[in-house]
Amino acid sequence: DAGVIQSPRHEVTEMGQEVTLRCKPISGHNSLFWYRQTMMRGLELLIYFNNNVPIDDSGMPEDRFSAKMPNASFSTLKIQPSEPRDSAVYFCASSGGGLGNQPQHFGDGTRLSIL
Amino acid sequence: GESVGLHLPTLSVQEGDNSIINCAYSNSASDYFIWYKQESGKGPQFIIDIRSNMDKRQGQRVTVLLNKTVKHLSLQIAATQPGDSAVYFCAENGDSNYKLTFGKGTLLTVNP
Repeated sequence: DAGVIQSPRHEVTEMGQEVTLRCKPISGHNSLFWYRQTMMRGLELLIYFNNNVPIDDSGMPEDRFSAKMPNASFSTLKIQPSEPRDSAVYFCASSGGGLGNQPQHFGDGTRLSIL
Repeated sequence: GESVGLHLPTLSVQEGDNSIINCAYSNSASDYFIWYKQESGKGPQFIIDIRSNMDKRQGQRVTVLLNKTVKHLSLQIAATQPGDSAVYFCAENGDSNYKLTFGKGTLLTVNP
């Protein structure tokens, strides 16, 4: 079965440019999460969608970050304008329905470098 | 705020030995715990989870133990193999039904 698919795997761009990260969750999963991972701060939850609706965006660092989920099989995380401090690995994860917490399954991430 | 922590940042074992990775949590409201394995260049991979109504849960070569009295979680890997070398994260849910708080991770190195 296909897992969570993220693209691109690597992105190098200059500061000020717009960056768009993409995610395809596991088919049938109704929850989607965007995380950022750095050595200093570890894994941080940025935003959580349930049934394509943003439920918790308290982890989004600032207005430069935005996320959308237009349908159950696609989500984007956009940074505009990008800054060097945004350099990190960004992960998307999805989980299925069911009562209570369910395991989140992660993609292999997008390694973002802002020069 | 409360957080999940790990006793040992690194663990080195010989191939074939059993490994034990420990995790302390401080949020007494947590009722769901999960272990992930992260290899270099990859995303965290789900290993095993456990809910607070259980003390022990077994998977293939792995066992998770939960001690709610002392707020301690451990992951046991039997007959550790070189392919088990990775960073292992524990996570807890706090009082959330979706949010996970991750620990800092333990680097497991398996020596041939």
